Amino acid sequence: EAGVAQSPRYKIIEKRQSVAFWCNPISGHATLYWYQQILGQGPKLLIQFQNNGVVDDSQLPKDRFSAERLKGVDSTLKIQPAKLEDSAVYLCASSPGLATGQETQYFGPGTRLLVL
Amino acid sequence: SQKIEQNSEALNIQEGKTATLTCNYTNYSPAYLQWYRQDPGRGPVFLLLIRENEKEKRKERLKVTFDTTLKQSLFHITASQPADSATYLCALDKTGFQKLVFGTGTRLLVSP
Repeated sequence: EAGVAQSPRYKIIEKRQSVAFWCNPISGHATLYWYQQILGQGPKLLIQFQNNGVVDDSQLPKDRFSAERLKGVDSTLKIQPAKLEDSAVYLCASSPGLATGQETQYFGPGTRLLVL
Repeated sequence: SQKIEQNSEALNIQEGKTATLTCNYTNYSPAYLQWYRQDPGRGPVFLLLIRENEKEKRKERLKVTFDTTLKQSLFHITASQPADSATYLCALDKTGFQKLVFGTGTRLLVSP
């Protein structure tokens, strides 16, 4: 079974520029997550989708971050404008769904963002 | 405030010994706790899940314990191998809707 796909793998931008990350979850997985992992820390949940609806976005800095999962499959996370402190790895994960009782999350390889 | 704490210092052990990693939490009442492994440049990989009504869970050389009174989970790797060298993350479900909160992780180094 194919895993969670993410692109690009690396991105370098200057502050105040915009950037977008793409994620394709495991086929059939209803729940999709975006995490931010700063060097030396654990992943921090930014947003959680169930199909194409948002379950939780309480930790998403909505003044600059946005995310969508329009057709309930793949998802895009955008930062506009980027700040230096946004330098991190952005991880996408998926799980079968909240109603399935299967709590394992499957992570993609991440996108490493460097803001200069 | 709510916290999940793991040893921030790396754990160095010799091959063949048992590695024990600690995860302590405060002000949470999780229904379950998970352990993940993360290698450099890769996303976390799920290892084990233990529920609040379970004391211990095993999978091959891995064992997890969960003490909801002490608010602590211990993660053991027996007969450790250099290939076990990685960062190990604990995570708990904050809301019951699979919203995971992760600890900072403990780096394990197993030397031959």
